Amino acid sequence: GNSVTQMEGPVTLSEEAFLTINCTYTATGYPSLFWYVQYPGEGLQLLLKATKADDKGSNKGFEATYRKETTSFHLEKGSVQVSDSAVYFCALLYGKLTFGQGTILTVHP
Amino acid sequence: DAGVTQSPTHLIKTRGQQVTLRCSPKSGHDTVSWYQQALGQGPQFIFQYYEEEERQRGNFPDRFSGHQFPNYSSELNVNALLLGDSALYLCASSLERERRETQYFGPGTRLLVL
Repeated sequence: GNSVTQMEGPVTLSEEAFLTINCTYTATGYPSLFWYVQYPGEGLQLLLKATKADDKGSNKGFEATYRKETTSFHLEKGSVQVSDSAVYFCALLYGKLTFGQGTILTVHP
Repeated sequence: DAGVTQSPTHLIKTRGQQVTLRCSPKSGHDTVSWYQQALGQGPQFIFQYYEEEERQRGNFPDRFSGHQFPNYSSELNVNALLLGDSALYLCASSLERERRETQYFGPGTRLLVL
């Protein structure tokens, strides 16, 4: 079946540091890929998406590129802010959304 | 433009009871999906409704059932509650004609089973 694996957390960074959260997937077809963010006590918000190989999704300084050859969709941001502290979920859509286990990001001033 | 809304926000039940959770999709959306998110985990797909029928189902027992109304709103029912049903229940809406490509999530209902 389809599955998503995210890097183990939590991740703790200082403000303005570079962020990478790794995500790899296993899928039988050609899924769309997503990053969702969840702030404390809230539901999920779509951060970015990519629908086919080599697409780059971007939003609010975050980027991720759909790499079919490595089945990866790593999330990056060049300079994180305290307000980026949240839980980040990688997900694939192939009929239904399948999520990774989430990565907790904490950014200190 | 109203987003996805869910009610109630919090709920406390005891084992063996039944619960009904409600979801109103984003305006214009016709497909509703339900997810269960246990503490510290990613959301798990329960089922999806379109045209008032369950179209797809995840690995959840028959105690979990649902309904979609003509106005596209939806209910999730859980019978014979177990302690392990304690979780955040998320509803997501999408558009069938966009192949459900982007799902918008509500704030969730937090269910505690004692």
